[in-house]
Amino acid sequence: NAGVMQNPRHLVRRRGQEARLRCSPMKGHSHVYWYRQLPEEGLKFMVYLQKENIIDESGMPKERFSAEFPKEGPSILRIQQVVRGDSAAYFCASSPQKNNQPQHFGDGTRLSIL
Amino acid sequence: KQEVTQIPAALSVPEGENLVLNCSFTDSAIYNLQWFRQDPGKGLTSLLLIQSSQREQTSGRLNASLDKSSGRSTLYIAASQPGDSATYLCAAYYGQNFVFGPGTRLSVLP
Repeated sequence: NAGVMQNPRHLVRRRGQEARLRCSPMKGHSHVYWYRQLPEEGLKFMVYLQKENIIDESGMPKERFSAEFPKEGPSILRIQQVVRGDSAAYFCASSPQKNNQPQHFGDGTRLSIL
Repeated sequence: KQEVTQIPAALSVPEGENLVLNCSFTDSAIYNLQWFRQDPGKGLTSLLLIQSSQREQTSGRLNASLDKSSGRSTLYIAASQPGDSATYLCAAYYGQNFVFGPGTRLSVLP
């Protein structure tokens, strides 16, 4: 059974470009969560999605960031017009249900902005 | 505001020592508390999960305790080994997402 798959593992972008991070949840999981880990900091919740729905985006920056989880395919975290401060590790987790269910984490995407 | 803190920020011990990592959370209305291990450049590995109704959980050389009333959890590692070197993250789960602490960076010296 494959775990949560994130790709790419490493992504380098220049300021002003777009970054797309992908997350395929574990088989049978319909809930996806995105977290961001800035250098020397803990993980911070960004957004929680179910298939085709954003449930909670209270941790998402108001501009340039968006997330989707289509009916088919992986969840996508999209960052437009990237800036240096977007450099971080972005982790995705999935669970079969919400509330009291362990979340399984992927290995993350390390985004570097030049 | 829901916050999680961890002390110490870093810890270096010789192999074989028993050690305790501390975690505090400001909002005691947790569903559960989970301890994770993170190796450099890697994702998170779940170590122990304590439900809000439980006081402790054990797995091998690891024991985690939970005191909701005081907003504290501890992770006890017995007979530490160099392979235990990693960052240990405490995370409080409030029913929809985790609130993570900043982690304790552990080095076990051979």
